[in-house]
Amino acid sequence: QVQLVESGGGVVQPGRSLRLSCAASGFSFSSYAMHWVRQAPGKGLEWVAAISYDGSNEFYVDSVKGRFTISRDNSKNTLYLQMNSLRAEDTAVYYCAKEITNHYFDRWGQGTLVTVSS
Amino acid sequence: EIVLTQSPATLSLSPGERATLSCRASQSLRSHLAWYQQKPGQAPRLLIYDASNRATGIPARFSGSGSGTDFTLTITSLEPEDFAVYYCQQRSSWPLTFGGGTRVEIK
Repeated sequence: QVQLVESGGGVVQPGRSLRLSCAASGFSFSSYAMHWVRQAPGKGLEWVAAISYDGSNEFYVDSVKGRFTISRDNSKNTLYLQMNSLRAEDTAVYYCAKEITNHYFDRWGQGTLVTVSS
Repeated sequence: EIVLTQSPATLSLSPGERATLSCRASQSLRSHLAWYQQKPGQAPRLLIYDASNRATGIPARFSGSGSGTDFTLTITSLEPEDFAVYYCQQRSSWPLTFGGGTRVEIK
């Protein structure tokens, strides 16, 4: 069955960096666009970034442009989110999500918590 | 950026009752809207995509309707497991955006 397992979260100081990973299994990873979606504690969902099936196209929400980079390694069935210059407002559970078609998300990981605090 | 406004923020209903949730977009989405359910401590689950198509395994009591700027998620008869938070999401343009959510709570 489809599994998405995030890792790499933790507590980090403002201005520092963190890299999240999402290990995928149970489907043809290289055939699907993938996304990161986050949820601040007690808040709603916020889409963060997307990458096309082959890594040739990337999209970001304005608040992370220039700071976050989404990437993928199809040989390892793994999605990444490199987060630089972290801010307190980046504190959230980060989910990786698989597209069903055309930017809807049919499978989600369990999430990894990122806390930005001094 | 397309803003999605969900109403009401909270819906207090009893099991067996009908739930009607609204999502209004700041510009036309045609039919490019999805609905998700999220329970505490869990990831969201896709219920409806392209406004009215049920995702795989979603019970028939969940239905979606609407187009343009006004959309509705209907749960015909609430089951105990349906009490959760529901989000709409648009894919009409970048950035993808979610509504603020509607909490369906037990009355």
